[in-house]
Amino acid sequence: DAGVIQSPRHEVTEMGQEVTLRCKPISGHDYLFWYRQTMMRGLELLIYFNNNVPIDDSGMPEDRFSAKMPNASFSTLKIQPSEPRDSAVYFCASSSTGIPSTYGYTFGSGTRLTVV
Amino acid sequence: GNSVTQMEGPVTLSEEAFLTINCTYTATGYPSLFWYVQYPGEGLQLLLKATKADDKGSNKGFEATYRKETTSFHLEKGSVQVSDSAVYFCALSVRNNQGGKLIFGQGTELSVKP
Repeated sequence: DAGVIQSPRHEVTEMGQEVTLRCKPISGHDYLFWYRQTMMRGLELLIYFNNNVPIDDSGMPEDRFSAKMPNASFSTLKIQPSEPRDSAVYFCASSSTGIPSTYGYTFGSGTRLTVV
Repeated sequence: GNSVTQMEGPVTLSEEAFLTINCTYTATGYPSLFWYVQYPGEGLQLLLKATKADDKGSNKGFEATYRKETTSFHLEKGSVQVSDSAVYFCALSVRNNQGGKLIFGQGTELSVKP
């Protein structure tokens, strides 16, 4: 299994531009999570999906952020327009039904976003 | 609510020293507890877990015991190596109708010097 795959690994963009981060979860996993990591705020859960349906998006910072999961093997996190304070490492993680509370998640390697 | 509190870092140790990273939690219900490790430039990896009181999780020489009476899950290793330098996250999950999302502590950076 290739694990959770995120792309790109690094993204540098100018303020005001649209940014799209991508995630491919582990095949067969039906939970997908998006996290943001910064020095100041640590790890923050932004949103998570179950069977491609958003379950809890209370962590999404504002309307500039949106996430979709059109099918079981792909999810995107979009920021439009981007701002310098969005600079962070964004992680995607996946898990299976009944598993999260027992086995935890499998994380991707993250996307390091820099907005200048 | 549910929360996790870890000892603040960074923690700096010499090789072969004993390691303890404290973790306490607050939870409604009966949580599962986890330690994750993040090496530089990488994502988080599950290090060990415990799903009920008095369980001991262990992996790669690391251990943690689920202590319900003290609501703690401290991470220990008898002899650290330079390769253990990383950030360690304590986390909990309470099973509910939303699938049991993980709640993380703030992370503790460990630096091991030769």
